Amino acid sequence: SQQGEEDPQALSIQEGENATMNCSYKTSINNLQWYRQNSGRGLVHLILIRSNEREKHSGRLRVTLDTSKKSSSLLITASRAADTASYFCAKGKGGTSYGKLTFGQGTILTVHP
Amino acid sequence: DTAVSQTPKYLVTQMGNDKSIKCEQNLGHDTMYWYKQDSKKFLKIMFSYNNKELIINETVPNRFSPKSPDKAHLNLHINSLELGDSAVYFCASSQGKSRTDTQYFGPGTRLTVL
Repeated sequence: SQQGEEDPQALSIQEGENATMNCSYKTSINNLQWYRQNSGRGLVHLILIRSNEREKHSGRLRVTLDTSKKSSSLLITASRAADTASYFCAKGKGGTSYGKLTFGQGTILTVHP
Repeated sequence: DTAVSQTPKYLVTQMGNDKSIKCEQNLGHDTMYWYKQDSKKFLKIMFSYNNKELIINETVPNRFSPKSPDKAHLNLHINSLELGDSAVYFCASSQGKSRTDTQYFGPGTRLTVL
């Protein structure tokens, strides 16, 4: 199966609520990154967390990484309609893998006004 | 001022044809990538060039040939197009070739093979 399974595949919430998306992976990583993709657009980098970090924040985004469980989560607090998009996690593998990122299938987030 | 641009945005063609997609970045980055996103939204890397040198070459049919005339451009040529080549192709760039370098994506080229 693909590296990096996102869960849930789709999430529908009301504006103001928090949204949590999860990502699991199978092999060791150097870092894990989260990207957002608006409909019909390219991906936009949100945040990177390294394998020796446990938590990072950026504005309304909070990312956690649990290497023992090989999982990460992205929390968007106080969601807005503009947060509606697909969210992907991407794994930067260990070893000399240059910029090779392995993406999951993504979580489709819909925030209703 | 588009950072990473791709042309064309849409491409509809018949099976067996040869087509090219062009990518340009004006960020001064050293590394460029091609990704394929299938109908289920899986995004897979195909190629990467660093300063015009091929550094990532995934298991891609040899009908796909990337060309980097300079570090600001990375084109993708596809020979003998097949139905399964229908997808959205994304170009991306990053400052360096490290796995921690942020990648900046273009808007994508939607290829439909009939």
